[in-house]
Amino acid sequence: DTGVSQDPRHKITKRGQNVTFRCDPISEHNRLYWYRQTLGQGPEFLTYFQNEAQLEKSRLLSDRFSAERPKGSFSTLEIQRTEQGDSAMYLCASSSEGGPGDTQYFGPGTRLTVL
Amino acid sequence: KNQVEQSPQSLIILEGKNCTLQCNYTVSPFSNLRWYKQDTGRGPVSLTIMTFSENTKSNGRYTATLDADTKQSSLHITASQLSDSASYICVVSAQAAGNKLTFGGGTRVLVKP
Repeated sequence: DTGVSQDPRHKITKRGQNVTFRCDPISEHNRLYWYRQTLGQGPEFLTYFQNEAQLEKSRLLSDRFSAERPKGSFSTLEIQRTEQGDSAMYLCASSSEGGPGDTQYFGPGTRLTVL
Repeated sequence: KNQVEQSPQSLIILEGKNCTLQCNYTVSPFSNLRWYKQDTGRGPVSLTIMTFSENTKSNGRYTATLDADTKQSSLHITASQLSDSASYICVVSAQAAGNKLTFGGGTRVLVKP
């Protein structure tokens, strides 16, 4: 499978714990995006990388959230001191560096439940 | 503020029937509009993409329209199948670095036999 993969698919944690998610984009894609999606809503942009550079962060990304893409390939999203409001589906997408028609391909998501 | 509004929020149709989903947007400057299909528990998958100059695009039984003047789009599903049960999300891209997307809240479609 050469699509975007995410790990784990599901994560249940207790409030206050730290969690880390991983995203492996399509191999030739330079851009990698993180989104958060709550039930019944569309995804909300969190941050994006071009190669290893983090170029934009949403105001949704509080200081408890940090994302990295150290070698311009896979990325990790860490949430520290999780809160119940962090419960959501975290989606990763990747795209090649192109024009306006550049399509983002989404992974299956990591569903986080904070108890 | 860039926004994408979709209607209806949810829809139930009988297998074999047609339906139309609506999308209104205020994203500026407009770059393109996509419709994504998202199955429960999965990531969204792109169905169609339209730029400013395109007013219709088909992908099998899915036909999307775009009126850039009124900033409206629709997605028409013809001869619905049980596998069409999913959320359909309208996504608009602004002409800005990063190909940043603005997502609608989605329309949840349930096709019943």
